[in-house]
Amino acid sequence: GQNIDQPTEMTATEGAIVQINCTYQTSGFNGLFWYQQHAGEAPTFLSYNVLDGLEEKGRFSSFLSRSKGYSYLLLKELQMKDSASYLCAVRDSNYQLIWGAGTKLIIKP
Amino acid sequence: IAGITQAPTSQILAAGRRMTLRCTQDMRHNAMYWYRQDLGLGLRLIHYSNTAGTTGKGEVPDGYSVSRANTDDFPLTLASAVPSQTSVYFCASSDRGSTGELFFGEGSRLTVL
Repeated sequence: GQNIDQPTEMTATEGAIVQINCTYQTSGFNGLFWYQQHAGEAPTFLSYNVLDGLEEKGRFSSFLSRSKGYSYLLLKELQMKDSASYLCAVRDSNYQLIWGAGTKLIIKP
Repeated sequence: IAGITQAPTSQILAAGRRMTLRCTQDMRHNAMYWYRQDLGLGLRLIHYSNTAGTTGKGEVPDGYSVSRANTDDFPLTLASAVPSQTSVYFCASSDRGSTGELFFGEGSRLTVL
């Protein structure tokens, strides 16, 4: 079966760096997405990786290793507003998105 | 403001009643999706449409139906609501010609009693 694994919850300190991991087993691979979802709101797009390596976008970076079925989202200079759930999703060979359950990130002052 | 509009934002419904959740987008995206999100579970795809006039079943289609008469509208109907359909429902759209990132509506919180 298809599966996306990511930690349920993480805690980090304001100003620090946090890495949220995502491992996947899917039928084919056509890209990996990270979304941010604040409580009570809709998910919003953060990043997209289709080739191995690191994609940097401001304070956020996302890494992909297709051979290992692994990705991480790196958040630098954490701010209180970064408290949210972070969703990892993989697009499979049928062009459908398979979603992880999300990682709830708690930022402490 | 361009985007996706869902209605209603919240609804309490008696079991057995029929309910339609509305979704409209103005981005001219080809593909549209309905997801449900439950605590502790990832987003689960109910139905999707790759283009106007076509629809497909997702992971959890039972008890739900959709139609795609035009590009902009993608309503989701619960023919006879049951308590297990209590959830937050998100409509989304994507332009399959690009990275295919999804744009989500604000969600519809449905409670079936």
